Amino acid sequence: GAVVSQHPSRVICKSGTSVKIECRSLDFQATTMFWYRQFPKQSLMLMATSNEGSKATYEQGVEKDKFLINHASLTLSTLTVTSAHPEDSSFYICSARVASSSVETQYFGPGTRLLVL
Amino acid sequence: AQSVTQPDIHITVSEGASLELRCNYSYGATPYLFWYVQSPGQGLQLLLKYFSGDTLVQGIKGFEAEFKRSQSSFNLRKPSVHWSDAAEYFCAVGPNTGGFKTIFGAGTRLFVKA
Repeated sequence: GAVVSQHPSRVICKSGTSVKIECRSLDFQATTMFWYRQFPKQSLMLMATSNEGSKATYEQGVEKDKFLINHASLTLSTLTVTSAHPEDSSFYICSARVASSSVETQYFGPGTRLLVL
Repeated sequence: AQSVTQPDIHITVSEGASLELRCNYSYGATPYLFWYVQSPGQGLQLLLKYFSGDTLVQGIKGFEAEFKRSQSSFNLRKPSVHWSDAAEYFCAVGPNTGGFKTIFGAGTRLFVKA
């Protein structure tokens, strides 16, 4: 099956610093990638949809200037949490959409645990 | 509006017993339906999916799910649960080729007792 990787798997940073999270599709090209945020014991909340070569589409309530998304190639999307604060601490998960014939499925990365001190 | 409901926040099952996790959806047309499993601190793994055709879908790890249009349900089943099945299970609707976003249910935590 399709494999999606995320790096780093976990990161601890100081308040006010920026953190970049990478999402890569390892064995397929992903025209669309999604970024989710998951709070403890809760479901996934879609933050933004990232399309290769174009600006990301952010969900209502998600600050685009705080969560910068870049989808520079068909295999890489990055999420940068700028000026991170403790309330940004969360589990961030990316997924990549596989489009083949008439069937589409998302494959998820293993997630990145962010802790802001 | 599209929505997914997983009525059970958590379920406890004895090892070897059968399992059924409930999922109900609200969607204007025939949905694309998914079940994912998430182990602690991990991402989501696709168990199975339904797009069309046979309403009984077989997945990985011995799981199956049945799409029932009349009940707007897509319940996940397994005849004999193993301790390694303990995890969080998410039912989801979408996306389709029209760009409809995936909507996840709140999840059901499965506990397996010896």
